[in-house]
Amino acid sequence: GENVEQHPSTLSVQEGDSAVIKCTYSDSASNYFPWYKQELGKRPQLIIDIRSNVGEKKDQRIAVTLNKTAKHFSLHITETQPEDSAVYFCAAIGQGGSEKLVFGKGTKLTVNP
Amino acid sequence: DTEVTQTPKHLVMGMTNKKSLKCEQHMGHRAMYWYKQKAKKPPELMFVYSYEKLSINESVPSRFSPECPNSSLLNLHLHALQPEDSALYLCASSPALRGEGYTFGSGTRLTVV
Repeated sequence: GENVEQHPSTLSVQEGDSAVIKCTYSDSASNYFPWYKQELGKRPQLIIDIRSNVGEKKDQRIAVTLNKTAKHFSLHITETQPEDSAVYFCAAIGQGGSEKLVFGKGTKLTVNP
Repeated sequence: DTEVTQTPKHLVMGMTNKKSLKCEQHMGHRAMYWYKQKAKKPPELMFVYSYEKLSINESVPSRFSPECPNSSLLNLHLHALQPEDSALYLCASSPALRGEGYTFGSGTRLTVV
């Protein structure tokens, strides 16, 4: 089955800097890669996603890149703000009717003012 | 309505109690999910319902019993739980079985005493 590795587990940046979180996946058939932000005590919220036929997707300060050959994808946050502080999870899902969303272990991002 | 609603938000139960968690969505999603999340860990899939039929049971102990009475409702019946079952229980739904459009509810914080 699919296995998703996520690094780093913690990341501390200064406000205004960029933050990058990286994930690798094992199943070459996986074709959908969402990123979730989870604030303390709250639900995971989808912040951006990418399908396997796209190499990069951007939404304001957030971007995701996908390298299918290397089986890795990354989240890029530019001009970080204190409200970006949260735990971020990457995930992957396979094709062929697979319903199983497999999560990475999470990255705790702290943005220091 | 673009939300998944879970009740109750908090639940404390004894090991001999029987209780139920409820999840409701009115987005027309045909796949619904139960996840368990322990502190500082990613969500772990428990059950998947597709078109009101159970399609995945991730070897969950029988003290957890899911039920999907109709396309908008998902219940999780709890009986004879253990203290280690204390966690955040998240319901989610998606339009189809490919993960896109996954929406999480705000969760039920369960404490077993």
